[in-house]
Amino acid sequence: AQKVTQAQTEISVVEKEDVTLDCVYETRDTTYYLFWYKQPPSGELVFLIRRNSFDEQNEISGRYSWNFQKSTSSFNFTITASQVVDSAVYFCALSERNGQNFVFGPGTRLSVLP
Amino acid sequence: GAGVSQTPSNKVTEKGKYVELRCDPISGHTALYWYRQSLGQGPEFLIYFQGTGAADDSGLPNDRFFAVRPEGSVSTLKIQRTERGDSAVYLCASSPARGTEAFFGQGTRLTVV
Repeated sequence: AQKVTQAQTEISVVEKEDVTLDCVYETRDTTYYLFWYKQPPSGELVFLIRRNSFDEQNEISGRYSWNFQKSTSSFNFTITASQVVDSAVYFCALSERNGQNFVFGPGTRLSVLP
Repeated sequence: GAGVSQTPSNKVTEKGKYVELRCDPISGHTALYWYRQSLGQGPEFLIYFQGTGAADDSGLPNDRFFAVRPEGSVSTLKIQRTERGDSAVYLCASSPARGTEAFFGQGTRLTVV
């Protein structure tokens, strides 16, 4: 069975600090896909990144970076120089090879204080 | 439209009534998903369509919930004999193919009183 754990329920940082959101997943499939979504106060889930299980390259997009490590079944998300607009709930999600559904973690609420 | 559209955005209904929630996916997306999100929780899978057929309905909580997608585009989630526990935000998403990222609509906030 597939499962996603986000151990951090809430994180508060001061603007310009770096912050890492943890994600640990479980799956029996050798082919799977990992995602991060952002849910700002407006409520809409915004897609951030997708990663295939066979591509362990880390990725950087502006202030965002992702560290995928199959050995520890983790897919962590780092925001560098956080801004108030980064305040949101962030969800990690897993989709197995058949891609028939996404399993979401419980989310991490990030508050960036000015 | 450019994104996934869900109507209505808010729905208040009385316990025991029937409701329909509509989802208009991104044009050309063959995969369509329904999720339910309760306050403070992550989205919970309900049903997945590939084209017109429900490929996976294992997340529907009971037989009061039903969804259709008759022409492989617009989908309707139907809830019979609503209960207060059905109150949640119902999210619809679509993706161009299995295993690709899903794009979510704004959701329908259902309140059963």
